[in-house]
Amino acid sequence: EDKVVQSPLSLVVHEGDTVTLNCSYEVTNFRSLLWYKQEKKAPTFLFMLTSSGIEKKSGRLSSILDKKELFSILNITATQTGDSAVYLCAVEAASSNTGKLIFGQGTTLQVKP
Amino acid sequence: NAGVMQNPRHLVRRRGQEARLRCSPMKGHSHVYWYRQLPEEGLKFMVYLQKENIIDESGMPKERFSAEFPKEGPSILRIQQVVRGDSAAYFCASSAAGITDTQYFGPGTRLTVL
Repeated sequence: EDKVVQSPLSLVVHEGDTVTLNCSYEVTNFRSLLWYKQEKKAPTFLFMLTSSGIEKKSGRLSSILDKKELFSILNITATQTGDSAVYLCAVEAASSNTGKLIFGQGTTLQVKP
Repeated sequence: NAGVMQNPRHLVRRRGQEARLRCSPMKGHSHVYWYRQLPEEGLKFMVYLQKENIIDESGMPKERFSAEFPKEGPSILRIQQVVRGDSAAYFCASSAAGITDTQYFGPGTRLTVL
């Protein structure tokens, strides 16, 4: 069965810290991996990764995919209180042929002032 | 450029009633996905639709749940005879091309069954 596992499940840091969120997956015929940020509303798209070893970067956030070891990390540097949210990792498997996403449980990040 | 719209944002129903959840995709998007998020769990795929067609309903319970995406108007997820276990957040996402295309999510409808 296809699955996505995120770790840690929750994390508390102070402003200015750097955090690394992990996402490992087991899917049949991987197609892409996506990261979303979920506050008290819509999950907001952050990154889509399809190729191994290529870092995607947006401001203080960056992400990289390792297709050999079947995982991805999301890094946030110089964290701010506004980064507090649930970070979701999702994988699209080619076996479904529909684009449906398989989500991990999410990592709840709390950034304290 | 409006994003994905969902309404209502909050819905309260008594056991046995019907719930109708609406989703308007982003402009130019013809692919709609519905996901359910139960308390303390991740999002789970329910159904994937294109205009007038259900493409994949493998994640949707076979009874009481149905979905449609008519030629005109929003996509609708319908739950008949709701039970307490249906209480969850229901999210809709849309994309322009379906496979390997970014899905953009709406704000969700939080359904509470009393």
